[in-house]
Amino acid sequence: SQTIHQWPATLVQPVGSPLSLECTVEGTSNPNLYWYRQAAGRGLQLLFYSVGIGQISSEVPQNLSASRPQDRQFILSSKKLLLSDSGFYLCAWSTGRLTEAFFGQGTRLTVV
Amino acid sequence: SQQGEEDPQALSIQEGENATMNCSYKTSINNLQWYRQNSGRGLVHLILIRSNEREKHSGRLRVTLDTSKKSSSLLITASRAADTASYFCATDSGDDKIIFGKGTRLHILP
Repeated sequence: SQTIHQWPATLVQPVGSPLSLECTVEGTSNPNLYWYRQAAGRGLQLLFYSVGIGQISSEVPQNLSASRPQDRQFILSSKKLLLSDSGFYLCAWSTGRLTEAFFGQGTRLTVV
Repeated sequence: SQQGEEDPQALSIQEGENATMNCSYKTSINNLQWYRQNSGRGLVHLILIRSNEREKHSGRLRVTLDTSKKSSSLLITASRAADTASYFCATDSGDDKIIFGKGTRLHILP
């Protein structure tokens, strides 16, 4: 069966520090991968998605970047965090179009 | 960008009553999905309805889709305390993106 791992679950980082959040998927190959951010009590904002290794599409220009070094690995990064980067970050995967997405448990990032 | 807009933003009902949430979207879609999120957790997929379908059932869930009005509804019958959560619609426009609405916070009162 397929599983998705996202870590860490919580993270407190100072302003100006770097960020690296990792997401890996097991039990499937060539998944579509997604990074979303959710502000408190709000909807999900699509940040990045990827349909293959090295293929990253950015939805919102901001202080973050994403990479997909391996087929089932998706990394969200920042060189210098801003206070506004605080939020709940969710990784998800799907088998492609016309299918549902499966989510990780999320990372709650607080930038102080 | 936000594709779907759920309505209402928040809903409180008595246990045993039916809960109805609506979703409107802007562009043409291949399918529409509903998800549930318990507080502080990841989202769980509930049901997917394709653009050529009008109604779909899964247990106590009933989803309708009206592509002419660009809207969908999620009905939860005989609500239970465990149904308390946020519910989101999401659309797939065929471009590999899954776009979510802002969600409806459902609270089931004992």
